[in-house]
Amino acid sequence: SQQGEEDPQALSIQEGENATMNCSYKTSINNLQWYRQNSGRGLVHLILIRSNEREKHSGRLRVTLDTSKKSSSLLITASRAADTASYFCATDAEDTGFQKLVFGTGTRLLVSP
Amino acid sequence: DGGITQSPKYLFRKEGQNVTLSCEQNLNHDAMYWYRQDPGQGLRLIYYSQIVNDFQKGDIAEGYSVSREKKESFPLTVTSAQKNPTAFYLCASSDRGEGGYTFGSGTRLTVV
Repeated sequence: SQQGEEDPQALSIQEGENATMNCSYKTSINNLQWYRQNSGRGLVHLILIRSNEREKHSGRLRVTLDTSKKSSSLLITASRAADTASYFCATDAEDTGFQKLVFGTGTRLLVSP
Repeated sequence: DGGITQSPKYLFRKEGQNVTLSCEQNLNHDAMYWYRQDPGQGLRLIYYSQIVNDFQKGDIAEGYSVSREKKESFPLTVTSAQKNPTAFYLCASSDRGEGGYTFGSGTRLTVV
């Protein structure tokens, strides 16, 4: 099952612009994570936000979480051509002490020079 | 450097064959996972293991099998019972608690 739905499915912007992608999920969670995937490669962990947090920053990344709406957003500021990739949200709802992530459908970001 | 290694990068399977995808990690992580990714899609969980000699089915386990005889290794066998095996397979590992997954670089399997 895929917990998250991401919006938009694809996003095309110019270098220097900001990119915002959204994720909605269905059940209560412990945390929500964002990953990046370059074409044909594995995923890379970007940032984690816990269910009791509302906003988190890491470099040019800003993540928000609204547990009442079961949604999250990822903002990439001052985008670069190297940011071109697919971005996935993933939620963890396990209570075993181990993670078991459920991934969204992803947003394909194209940043043009 | 610590990391997770998948091999081979590309694999071709004939109809009716079983094939095994390798996944090795030197991160000392307890948990390991196999996901399948179809073109333009998200990741779907095949199997996962939280401890040596134990593993659990994910959402799409039919036609696949795994073993976890060593902490470092979690091979995935795609059996002839998997009717549509062509996909990109990703292995990941994680430690207890939070911190995210570390992914391998993937194996692209094609049926010929």
